Amino acid sequence: NAGVTQTPKFRVLKTGQSMTLLCAQDMNHEYMYWYRQDPGMGLRLIHYSVGEGTTAKGEVPDGYNVSRLKKQNFLLGLESAAPSQTSVYFCASLRQTNTGELFFGEGSRLTVL
Amino acid sequence: RKEVEQDPGPFNVPEGATVAFNCTYSNSASQSFFWYRQDCRKEPKLLMSVYSSGNEDGRFTAQLNRASQYISLLIRDSKLSDSATYLCVVNILYGGSQGNLIFGKGTKLSVKP
Repeated sequence: NAGVTQTPKFRVLKTGQSMTLLCAQDMNHEYMYWYRQDPGMGLRLIHYSVGEGTTAKGEVPDGYNVSRLKKQNFLLGLESAAPSQTSVYFCASLRQTNTGELFFGEGSRLTVL
Repeated sequence: RKEVEQDPGPFNVPEGATVAFNCTYSNSASQSFFWYRQDCRKEPKLLMSVYSSGNEDGRFTAQLNRASQYISLLIRDSKLSDSATYLCVVNILYGGSQGNLIFGKGTKLSVKP
């Protein structure tokens, strides 16, 4: 049982490049999330999804797009990377909101030069 | 004002001490509340949910005060292994969606011998 898997784990981009982070979960969870974590800022919600085919904006959605074409996958895209998007990105999934138990991936460290 | 705010920390305490963390939230429609623990360079993990009547799990006690919109976490008899960052998480009802899980910035705890 892999849980939540994020790829890639590390990536260095140049300003203006695009990339996609992939999150996959094998627990049949409805809810999926993308957070970014920066020093002194805690985890901030970028986008989330409450089910296949749905997405919603979180606290800091600008500069990112997401898609949830399949229930098990949640993709985070950066169309034109900026240095301000240098961060550690965490994906998480959740079965039901009242349990609150988010299952996180190990994180993806992105550096934009 | 951020939706979820925590004590800034860091908290440096000796082994055996009792330490308390507070967290306030701004949205009175918030549905559910949780405490997470994050070790350095690791993903966050659920520590405990917070129920209206208060709840205890071993040395950890969580309480919710809906009228004042704050939650607390009490750790008794601190152990070296309790050293971590503690994150307050609130499920905020937003736009009809219950999936909006917002993290506080976290409070760092360091337990010394």
